[in-house]
Formats: sequence, structure tokens, C-alpha cells
Amino acid sequence: GAGVSQTPSNKVTEKGKYVELRCDPISGHTALYWYRQSLGQGPEFLIYFQGTGAADDSGLPNDRFFAVRPEGSVSTLKIQRTERGDSAVYLCASSLTDRGTPSFGSGTRLTVV
Amino acid sequence: AQKITQTQPGMFVQEKEAVTLDCTYDTSDPSYGLFWYKQPSSGEMIFLIYQGSYDQQNATEGRYSLNFQKARKSANLVISASQLGDSAMYFCAMREGNGNNRLAFGKGNQVVVIP
Repeated sequence: GAGVSQTPSNKVTEKGKYVELRCDPISGHTALYWYRQSLGQGPEFLIYFQGTGAADDSGLPNDRFFAVRPEGSVSTLKIQRTERGDSAVYLCASSLTDRGTPSFGSGTRLTVV
Repeated sequence: AQKITQTQPGMFVQEKEAVTLDCTYDTSDPSYGLFWYKQPSSGEMIFLIYQGSYDQQNATEGRYSLNFQKARKSANLVISASQLGDSAMYFCAMREGNGNNRLAFGKGNQVVVIP
């Protein structure tokens, strides 16, 4: 079956612009996670959804970052006024339940120039 | 504080040989889970193996096994009979049982399998 799908796979944007990154989780998975992976580092947690609600958004670095999951499936990570330091790979993961094993997408590589 | 520590430098391993990747963790929660993921150069994170803190036996999945030493807080991954396709970054991660569902990842171990 289909895995976690993330679009776009690559995004180049100018400093100060707004970007949206999309995640399609595995069908039926109620839990959805966003992580950010900087070069040479492991993924760092950003936000976790259980259904439609953000159960834990404590990893979002500041108020420029926001994520939604309005119907409990697709999620969008939104970054306002992008900065060069936002350049990273943004990974999405989903799991069947909140204690299940997360399956990851291939990520969106964001480059802010 | 760093919850997962992976400090080995990049490793070269001969094809068909076994390799052990070190992972130590830090938690005061008695209930937790440990995960290993593989990340090839293409970028996707592939789940390999899971060990629960209360599991009595070390986890095994095909060529992957986990050397779980609870008192030492270590969860080393052993890959047996290495294949060229095993060349990748390997990440150890922990999920604590305190209602927090996030995974905390280490910095990863680079493995290159040579023919």
C-alpha cells in the first residue's frame, strides 16, 4: 500500500517568503508527526497530531511555524517569513495509533536563499 | 539534555561481516521504547527494529538484532552478514512512556559497506 507522501520533495524559496509543506499520511493512521532534520543531525520533533487536533506542538521553534490537519488526514506545515536558518529537510511520519511505530515519508528539502 | 547518544565515527565494514552500532540513552521513565531507523542517501527513514523497556528478550528482525542492556542504558544495533545495500545512516530513537509520543533521535551512525 501507499506510504507517507510528502510534497514537494524540494522547495527553494527566498528569505521572507511564506511556504507550505504537505503530508499525506498512510490511510487510517490517526497519529501524525512533523520533524525537522538539519544537515548532519537526527530528526528533531516539531508537532504531533492525534486526529485533527495538535496534541503536542512544543517542538515548534517560534510563532512563524504553524501546522494544521483539518480533516484528520492530510497535514500542512506552514512557515511564515522564512529565514535561512529554516533550511532543512522536513519529515512527516504517521502511525496507526499514538503508540504505534511511526512510518516516515521521504521529506521535503527546504532551501531558503 | 541529550536523551540519545550515538558517538561512533563513520564506519567501514566488509561485505558479509557483522557490524555493531552503539546507542546509549537517558531517561528516568521506567516505561519507554527504543527504535532503530535506517536512512539511505535517498532520504527516507526506514524502520528496522523496536525494543520495549519491559521486553524480556532482545528484539530480532531478520539480519537485525538489538543488544539491549537495560542497566547500562544501551541499545546497540547488530547487523549481521552486511550487504552493500546496508550503506546508510542509522538512527537510534527513544519514546518515553509518560504520555509524550514524540521520538527523540540521536545524531546517527554512518555505515559504509565495502565489497
